[in-house]
Amino acid sequence: SAVISQKPSRDICQRGTSLTIQCQVDSQVTMMFWYRQQPGQSLTLIATANQGSEATYESGFVIDKFPISRPNLTFSTLTVSNMSPEDSSIYLCSVETGASHEQYFGPGTRLTVT
Amino acid sequence: AQSVTQLDSQVPVFEEAPVELRCNYSSSVSVYLFWYVQYPNQGLQLLLKYLSGSTLVESINGFEAEFNKSQTSFHLRKPSVHISDTAEYFCAVSERRGYQKVTFGIGTKLQVIP
Repeated sequence: SAVISQKPSRDICQRGTSLTIQCQVDSQVTMMFWYRQQPGQSLTLIATANQGSEATYESGFVIDKFPISRPNLTFSTLTVSNMSPEDSSIYLCSVETGASHEQYFGPGTRLTVT
Repeated sequence: AQSVTQLDSQVPVFEEAPVELRCNYSSSVSVYLFWYVQYPNQGLQLLLKYLSGSTLVESINGFEAEFNKSQTSFHLRKPSVHISDTAEYFCAVSERRGYQKVTFGIGTKLQVIP
């Protein structure tokens, strides 16, 4: 298993600004993931972040809007850039352990854009 | 590509009554199956998983799920629910071949009524 923390837990931001969300894991992991959970919807994978390589983005998500850093095996950041109200969501970090694709999730960052 | 269908968005049930949350998946290859739970204002937690072997898997808090390959289902059941089971439950699937991302269902909100 893994224990994951995220900062901030919530924030209210003005449109046009950017917010960087931090994800810290208590053990070294190869694969980290960033998800978005919009109200009433399921989790949508934004990107996969492997240490030492560029993040891999899912369809509909681009690096300019959601730049990701992965400087080491226990830490990652996701930036939500040039925010609009449509970016209001919960952003979740997760890690994968073992070969069975079992994922452990952070508590999430609740973002409100006004 | 894989997909997950959770047929019920909300399930109200009285305390101590049985409950079944339905999940069907679609995939052309063998899969791993998961149920995650999200308690109010908390992150997702893995509830149980099917990797191989026995098609009936159990969690520590009394939930069980049965993998039915012919019906491509992985329904979650509990014979007697408690107030503390009130949460949102997400079914998830990933394909076994190489690395495949985890796909989540839309979630089912279980509301236990006193």
